[in-house]
Amino acid sequence: EVQLVESGGGLVQPGGSLRLSCAASGFTFSTYWMSWVRQAPGKGLEWVANIKEDGSQRYYVDSVKGRFTISRDNAKNSLYLQMNSLRDEDTAVYYCTKERLRSLDYWGQGTLVTVSS
Amino acid sequence: DIQMTQSPPSLSASVGDRVTITCRASQSISSSLNWYQQKPGKAPKPLIYAASSLQSGAPSRFSGSGSGTDFTLTISSLQPEDFATYYCQHTYSSPPWTFGQGTRVEIK
Repeated sequence: EVQLVESGGGLVQPGGSLRLSCAASGFTFSTYWMSWVRQAPGKGLEWVANIKEDGSQRYYVDSVKGRFTISRDNAKNSLYLQMNSLRDEDTAVYYCTKERLRSLDYWGQGTLVTVSS
Repeated sequence: DIQMTQSPPSLSASVGDRVTITCRASQSISSSLNWYQQKPGKAPKPLIYAASSLQSGAPSRFSGSGSGTDFTLTISSLQPEDFATYYCQHTYSSPPWTFGQGTRVEIK
């Protein structure tokens, strides 16, 4: 059974940093692209970033470029999102997702990031 | 970036109704279009990929069609568990891969 379990969310002040983690199991992690998707309270879904199987390609939505870094450790079956220079508008539930055939076929339960002073 | 526009933003329907949701892309995206269902407080669930292919585990009453810029999600006979918000997402070419703003399906 595929499982994606996010952790690392919490309350952080504007300008601060946070690192999200996603522990993957139930599939061969090293053979799939992975993505982060977020959802601000009461709002729709926003695709944030993704990373190739071997980490050699990474893409970001414009609003996080230069501030967020997606990475992975295939030996640990883990996906990460390093978030720096956080802003109020980064407040959201962040979902870890697995990609297959250019769709997001499995989602974690999400972790809440709140940016507030 | 490619923009995705869903319509209607919300709709009211009864159990057993046939429901259609539309998604329009700001440029041609071939068949690179996915649909997801989200219930309050839960993670989204995948329904359709590549415009018309049913995701494993998704009920067969859900179907997708379209190519180019115009796409539809159809629920052939609405069930009580289908009341939720539905999102389209394009995955054409290189990211970013944007979502539509969502369509909320409510009980009439």
